[in-house]
Amino acid sequence: QAVVTQEPSLTVSPGGTVTLTCGSSTGAVTSGHYPYWFQQKPGQAPTTLIYETVNKHSWTPARFSASLFGGKAALTLSGAQPEDEADYYCLLSYGATGVFGGGTKLTVL
Amino acid sequence: EVQLVESGGGLVQPGGSLRLACAASEFTFSSDWMRWVRQAPGKGLEWVANINPDGSEKNYMDSVKGRFTISRDNAKNSLYLQMNSLRAEDTAVYYCAREKYRSWGQGTLVTVSS
Repeated sequence: QAVVTQEPSLTVSPGGTVTLTCGSSTGAVTSGHYPYWFQQKPGQAPTTLIYETVNKHSWTPARFSASLFGGKAALTLSGAQPEDEADYYCLLSYGATGVFGGGTKLTVL
Repeated sequence: EVQLVESGGGLVQPGGSLRLACAASEFTFSSDWMRWVRQAPGKGLEWVANINPDGSEKNYMDSVKGRFTISRDNAKNSLYLQMNSLRAEDTAVYYCAREKYRSWGQGTLVTVSS
């Protein structure tokens, strides 16, 4: 089974910009992995921010954007808010199955 | 409002069985791929299984193949996960989620312990 890697933790200042990445042990991440990005706050179910590489749901704040960069999927937060402090997970598809990354704990400080 | 409500979790001994259910409402359940995702206490998310709209295609993560069975009843707008030969490492909150992960349930806790 493939391994999906994320930064274990990142810190961003309020109003600042941070990029979280999602890599694959099998090689470059492409749109064919249909990358997803999720946000999870303590004690809550995850919510989906990004689906299929770059697409936002209606509830996704505009300050979040996603891309493919340097062989990885990337989630960029521009203008961080205190409420963005959370765990962030990416998910890659490998054929009909999925593999989550280990998650990034984002601190807004 | 779209709702996914999981049930069926609880405490079970190693080697035991449990059947989880996910009741769906306010969307066309029979048109969506559905999946189960789990999260062990204090750990990250783990993709478990998915099923296509008519139930003819099912896919599993390696560690649950042969032990877990995903199924659905479109007439009842319900998704199921039959879990057999449970192990301590299956202890987790189990979430159901709809196609494109548009919606998630609140999860049901499964604890495998003697």
